[in-house]
Amino acid sequence: GAGVSQSPSNKVTEKGKDVELRCDPISGHTALYWYRQSLGQGLEFLIYFQGNSAPDKSGLPSDRFSAERTGGSVSTLTIQRTQQEDSAVYLCASSHGGGGTEAFFGQGTRLTVV
Amino acid sequence: DAKTTQPTSMDCAEGRAANLPCNHSTISGNEYVYWYRQIHSQGPQYIIHGLKNNETNEMASLIITEDRKSSTLILPHATLRDTAVYYCIVPPSSARQLTFGSGTQLTVLP
Repeated sequence: GAGVSQSPSNKVTEKGKDVELRCDPISGHTALYWYRQSLGQGLEFLIYFQGNSAPDKSGLPSDRFSAERTGGSVSTLTIQRTQQEDSAVYLCASSHGGGGTEAFFGQGTRLTVV
Repeated sequence: DAKTTQPTSMDCAEGRAANLPCNHSTISGNEYVYWYRQIHSQGPQYIIHGLKNNETNEMASLIITEDRKSSTLILPHATLRDTAVYYCIVPPSSARQLTFGSGTQLTVLP
């Protein structure tokens, strides 16, 4: 595709359930980022992948959050035992390199935990 | 890290130039200035970046002062669709991710 694709676009889940959010980055981009944005708030960094390097997980808020990037392409963000405070828009971005090079964002997944 | 300071909000009349300032007084010599914007309910969008020379693209111009301690993003003919939060970011050269601050809410008025 031409841009970063995220699925699903909307997800409603019950408290305590696990969810998986998917990100398809732009082909050839080595860097992939996950952010989340709560209603009316700024963007909160979650995790960063760059090529084959160990991911930077410094932004993950708890051990209920994890992410994988398979084959240097598609990434999945998993939230276990979801809580209401996990409700937010989860945004994925990719770029040719890290450190602030031009990043392209997807439209996000709106997660609502009820 | 080079901290950035932006006004919380600005208004601009449609068709006029929108000039969005950013202070980054602790910027280091090899750190770039990036601008992104986020239109309501959309993901952030890259606008422009620069090191020390002024830059222009189809979206905007970036003017960086000679001492590099501040910059201005210029939207030459603002339209209603330019209403968004504009983020000025100076990622450290060692950084691996973009850190977004609060940005400036630009409202273009008809």
